[in-house]
Amino acid sequence: EDQVTQSPEALRLQEGESSSLNCSYTVSGLRGLFWYRQDPGKGPEFLFTLYSAGEEKEKERLKATLTKKESFLHITAPKPEDSATYLCAVQAMPSSASKIIFGSGTRLSIRP
Amino acid sequence: KAGVTQTPRYLIKTRGQQVTLSCSPISGHRSVSWYQQTPGQGLQFLFEYFSETQRNKGNFPGRFSGRQFSNSRSEMNVSTLELGDSALYLCASRNPADEKLFFGSGTQLSVL
Repeated sequence: EDQVTQSPEALRLQEGESSSLNCSYTVSGLRGLFWYRQDPGKGPEFLFTLYSAGEEKEKERLKATLTKKESFLHITAPKPEDSATYLCAVQAMPSSASKIIFGSGTRLSIRP
Repeated sequence: KAGVTQTPRYLIKTRGQQVTLSCSPISGHRSVSWYQQTPGQGLQFLFEYFSETQRNKGNFPGRFSGRQFSNSRSEMNVSTLELGDSALYLCASRNPADEKLFFGSGTQLSVL
């Protein structure tokens, strides 16, 4: 069965302190891996899609990377406004019609 | 372009009752997915509809059902509510050619 595991569950950092969030996945064949950000009281907001091992995507202070078994979301010099829950999701082959499965998320808190 | 709209925003019900939640997708999006989000389980996939047909289904009991109308609006119904059904129910739409999900703000359901 397709599965997504995220760690840690929660992470508290000082402003400017870089770190990484982990997403491990088990899927029969990966069509795509996604990262979303969720703020309290809101639905998740799309950040990145990664398709193959070795691929990287960047947006402001965030960089997502992908291997055959896991993905990392690297946060460089974070600011308090980066505080949110970050969700990882996978979509299995064979097609874009396949369902998208989410992990439980990592709650990130950045202290000023 | 208007985003995904979910109504109502909050709902309080008692055990044994039934409830219907509504979702209006982004204009032009024909796929609508439903997720249940709880602190312990994270985002759990319920089902996905495309062009009025259920395309994918998660591991939820038959008390959870849904439908999609010709204008792509979707409804989700939960019958014989249980305390454990208390959760945030999120709806997401996408263009099937693009795997990116756009989420609504959700319906917070409390079962007393």
